[in-house]
Amino acid sequence: DAGVIQSPRHEVTEMGQEVTLRCKPISGHNSLFWYRQTMMRGLELLIYFNNNVPIDDSGMPEDRFSAKMPNASFSTLKIQPSEPRDSAVYFCATGTGVSNRNTGELFFGEGSRLTVL
Amino acid sequence: RKEVEQDPGPFNVPEGATVAFNCTYSNSASQSFFWYRQDCRKEPKLLMSVYSSGNEDGRFTAQLNRASQYISLLIRDSKLSDSATYLCAVNMRTGGFKTIFGAGTRLFVKA
Repeated sequence: DAGVIQSPRHEVTEMGQEVTLRCKPISGHNSLFWYRQTMMRGLELLIYFNNNVPIDDSGMPEDRFSAKMPNASFSTLKIQPSEPRDSAVYFCATGTGVSNRNTGELFFGEGSRLTVL
Repeated sequence: RKEVEQDPGPFNVPEGATVAFNCTYSNSASQSFFWYRQDCRKEPKLLMSVYSSGNEDGRFTAQLNRASQYISLLIRDSKLSDSATYLCAVNMRTGGFKTIFGAGTRLFVKA
């Protein structure tokens, strides 16, 4: 089975440009998370969706960041305009939530490494 | 205070050593707990879930203390291949369930 698929794997852009990161979750997973990882701040939760609905976006750093999940098989994270301090690895992770049979394990994509010059 | 805090690293240990990582969480309503492993320039992957009764998987033992809001991971007989960053993670109910990670503890196992 295919895992979580993220694109692009690497992106180098100039300050002020728009960046769009994409994620295809594992089929059947109803929870989707966007994380950002840097050496200084570790793995930060930006936003998560449950059944395509945004539940908590309190981790989104500012209005320049937006995320959508138009259907169960696709999500985007957009940064407009981008700034050098946005340089990080952005991970998408999906899961089936917590239930009697699931403890809430997350499956991560390989990440999108963003460099803003 | 961060929601999930871990021991600062790095830990440098010789092969065969026993090493322990600690993690504390601030939200007493946290539901489930995990240790993830992350290799250099790779994504995190689940190492093991952590249960109240404690659980063991080969050389790895995880413990949970809900009263103290504390999670631990013990690695016995360290191997070179155990070198990685170990991330503590906690699920919290907030509408849905959100998973918060600690900053991670870097482990170097040397020959």
